[in-house]
Amino acid sequence: SAVISQKPSRDICQRGTSLTIQCQVDSQVTMMFWYRQQPGQSLTLIATANQGSEATYESGFVIDKFPISRPNLTFSTLTVSNMSPEDSSIYLCSVARGLDEQFFGPGTRLTVL
Amino acid sequence: AQSVTQLDSQVPVFEEAPVELRCNYSSSVSVYLFWYVQYPNQGLQLLLKYLSGSTLVKGINGFEAEFNKSQTSFHLRKPSVHISDTAEYFCAVTQYSSASKIIFGSGTRLSIRP
Repeated sequence: SAVISQKPSRDICQRGTSLTIQCQVDSQVTMMFWYRQQPGQSLTLIATANQGSEATYESGFVIDKFPISRPNLTFSTLTVSNMSPEDSSIYLCSVARGLDEQFFGPGTRLTVL
Repeated sequence: AQSVTQLDSQVPVFEEAPVELRCNYSSSVSVYLFWYVQYPNQGLQLLLKYLSGSTLVKGINGFEAEFNKSQTSFHLRKPSVHISDTAEYFCAVTQYSSASKIIFGSGTRLSIRP
């Protein structure tokens, strides 16, 4: 398994500002992902965080809005830029060592006023 | 591309009754299948997974699921539920490839009545 921590666990932000969420894993992992879970909904993949190269974004998500960094094999950040109330969600990072299982962090609960 | 359909958004059951949460998937390639559970205000926890072999998979907390390739289903079952099973349950799929991107279903909220 993998132990994943996220910071902050929750935040309340003003419209137009940006928030950077950190994801730390207790051991090196090949793949890291960022998901969004809007209120009462399922998880949607935002992007795959690639170590040493640009993240791979899913349809509907762009780098200008959700810049991602992955400086090494245990850490990644997701920034939610120029926030609006529609960005209020839970943001989760996950990691995968192989093809058959992902482990999820506890999530960051974001409220945008 | 893969997709996952969870047919029931909410399932209310009485404590100690059996429950089945339905999941159907669509994919043009072979897949791995998962059930995750999300307890209130918590992250996701893996309940069980199907990779290959026996089509009946047993997971944690007394849950099991059966992979049915012909019906493209992966229904989750528990013979007797407990109040502590109240949670959101997500069925998910990922394809056999180097990219382990998971596609989630819309979720089923299981509520247990005493």
